[in-house]
Amino acid sequence: DIQMTQSPSSLSASGGDRVIITCRASHDITNSLNWYQQKPGKAPKLLIYDASNLERGVPSRFRGSGSGTDFTFIISSLQPEDIATYYCQQHDNLPLTFGGGTKVEIK
Amino acid sequence: QVQLVQSGAEVRKPGASLRVSCQASGYTFNAYFMHWVRQAPGQGLEWLGWINPNSGGTYYAQKFQGRVTMTRDTSISTAYMELSRLRSDDTAVYYCARVPAGHSYGFFEYWGQGTLVTVSS
Repeated sequence: DIQMTQSPSSLSASGGDRVIITCRASHDITNSLNWYQQKPGKAPKLLIYDASNLERGVPSRFRGSGSGTDFTFIISSLQPEDIATYYCQQHDNLPLTFGGGTKVEIK
Repeated sequence: QVQLVQSGAEVRKPGASLRVSCQASGYTFNAYFMHWVRQAPGQGLEWLGWINPNSGGTYYAQKFQGRVTMTRDTSISTAYMELSRLRSDDTAVYYCARVPAGHSYGFFEYWGQGTLVTVSS
């Protein structure tokens, strides 16, 4: 199974700050990496697919990059509505696996 | 618009079985693979497997093989996930999630609202 390691597990930032989350795969997954946002009590929501493609309707302050084993997710200017937990997910190989999540809070 | 509506919360005793349903609307049910993902309280996301609604073919994560069964009823656009021999660590919210057309797996573009399953004696 491909292990996905996300960091940090949590962070606190001020409104307007740039937030960076990383995800590392245990094997090369090319660009088969997705990012989701999950708010408490809700289902995850797709933000980025195939490493860098913004899902329709998702604000452009969210960005993804990377390939191979190392990936980055950026919120360019943190907004109050971005408070959530973010997960990466690989779809290069079965079983599909997720990172452990990054909880983003506002200072 | 695409909607995935899941059945309500369930409580089961250890050793029992349960079935969660996921009724789809707003698209051609047979054309999109359906996956199941679960989330234990305060924990991350865990993938269980998928079903091809067109053929009924399935693929299960090895961890759940022998305990999970995914089926569908195309006449009512509904997918089902049955989990047997329940244990306390099966307590979780179970989600159905759809992937794009033409893909057996990939990214989850639509999710159900989740079904809380509690396993307790």
